Amino acid sequence: AQSVTQLDSQVPVFEEAPVELRCNYSSSVSVYLFWYVQYPNQGLQLLLKYLSGSTLVESINGFEAEFNKSQTSFHLRKPSVHISDTAEYFCAVSPIYNFNKFYFGSGTKLNVKP
Amino acid sequence: EAGVTQFPSHSVIEKGQTVTLRCDPISGHDNLYWYRRVMGKEIKFLLHFVKESKQDESGMPNNRFLAERTGGTYSTLKVQPAELEDSGVYFCASSQDGGFGQFFGPGTRLTVL
Repeated sequence: AQSVTQLDSQVPVFEEAPVELRCNYSSSVSVYLFWYVQYPNQGLQLLLKYLSGSTLVESINGFEAEFNKSQTSFHLRKPSVHISDTAEYFCAVSPIYNFNKFYFGSGTKLNVKP
Repeated sequence: EAGVTQFPSHSVIEKGQTVTLRCDPISGHDNLYWYRRVMGKEIKFLLHFVKESKQDESGMPNNRFLAERTGGTYSTLKVQPAELEDSGVYFCASSQDGGFGQFFGPGTRLTVL
């Protein structure tokens, strides 16, 4: 079975500060990893994903995440956040044998303050 | 291109009543998924359709939940009779070529009183 733990339910941060949203997973099989973002009153949007290859993946809006197999982590980072990054962020995994089934964490609300 | 749409956006019903949620996937997407998020907890997989066929319904909580996708286009999720613990946000997602690119709808917030 797979499970995902997002250690922080809420992360307050000032604008232009760096941020790290933590994600750890548990799985007996190899997995693909994802970060989704949900802006207020919108659906979840895929932010970035790790399928294979380089363990560092980047999104178009400055976020990056690094897959650490030994620590079973996939933390999300951004060196300088903007007000517009205020949203809820979800980490998810899917087993490589059934990539149609996602297991999500409980979400982290990022609140960027001016 | 229109995204995944869900109707209604909110629903408030009494315990024991029936509610039907609807999801319209992105046109041409054969894969359709239902998820549920209860009380700010994790988003949980309910089931997966490929066209009109249920590919995986391992996440459906019990037989009070019935999902259909007649004709392989839109899908409905019926809860009958609704219980208090069914309250939550129900998300629908669709994809064209498997799980790598699931596009989510805004969700339906269901409140059972």
